[in-house]
Amino acid sequence: GAVVSQHPSWVICKSGTSVKIECRSLDFQATTMFWYRQFPKQSLMLMATSNEGSKATYEQGVEKDKFLINHASLTLSTLTVTSAHPEDSSFYICSATRILGLAGDEQYFGPGTRLTVT
Amino acid sequence: GENVEQHPSTLSVQEGDSAVIKCTYSDSASNYFPWYKQELGKRPQLIIDIRSNVGEKKDQRIAVTLNKTAKHFSLHITETQPEDSAVYFCAAHSSSSGGYNKLIFGAGTRLAVHP
Repeated sequence: GAVVSQHPSWVICKSGTSVKIECRSLDFQATTMFWYRQFPKQSLMLMATSNEGSKATYEQGVEKDKFLINHASLTLSTLTVTSAHPEDSSFYICSATRILGLAGDEQYFGPGTRLTVT
Repeated sequence: GENVEQHPSTLSVQEGDSAVIKCTYSDSASNYFPWYKQELGKRPQLIIDIRSNVGEKKDQRIAVTLNKTAKHFSLHITETQPEDSAVYFCAAHSSSSGGYNKLIFGAGTRLAVHP
């Protein structure tokens, strides 16, 4: 259980275009999903929190108009990188929170999307 | 803001030796501390976690200890094997103004186990 999928696994796009990345929890409902960006040999940096039915919460320094997040259902969140530039090239990873009741919750990660902007 | 420091950044051991990775956190309200293993180009995999109501948890060759007073927690891997080679990340839960819990990650430790 606790499977999270992400699509596409890799994408190459031209500078100035937009790219949409999907994150799905396959066997559980996730009211909260997170989007991270990871540059080579670095840690995961939280970009934003995606909440089903409400606006996303962005971390400081992340442009909300550039990284559009939509949490359409309890199993799907999308991240759209608008007007992509080469410096946006990175590994984008989503995670979904599975509620364990009184035991708390756990985060499970998608396989990531490698974005290359040329 | 919230911060998690992780040491060492790189760790090289011989097969069969033990490896220890240490983390400290700043948010005294944190109550959940997972550890993730990430192989090159792949997703982080949850390998063990600990909640603030216990001081130690063990799962076969992996153990985690938590000292809430000192705000630090550690990962212990015994009898290391080459397949343990990866980057390990510690993390700590931090409450947000929106009422949900987000994870703050350490910088990672690159573990190399040599045969």
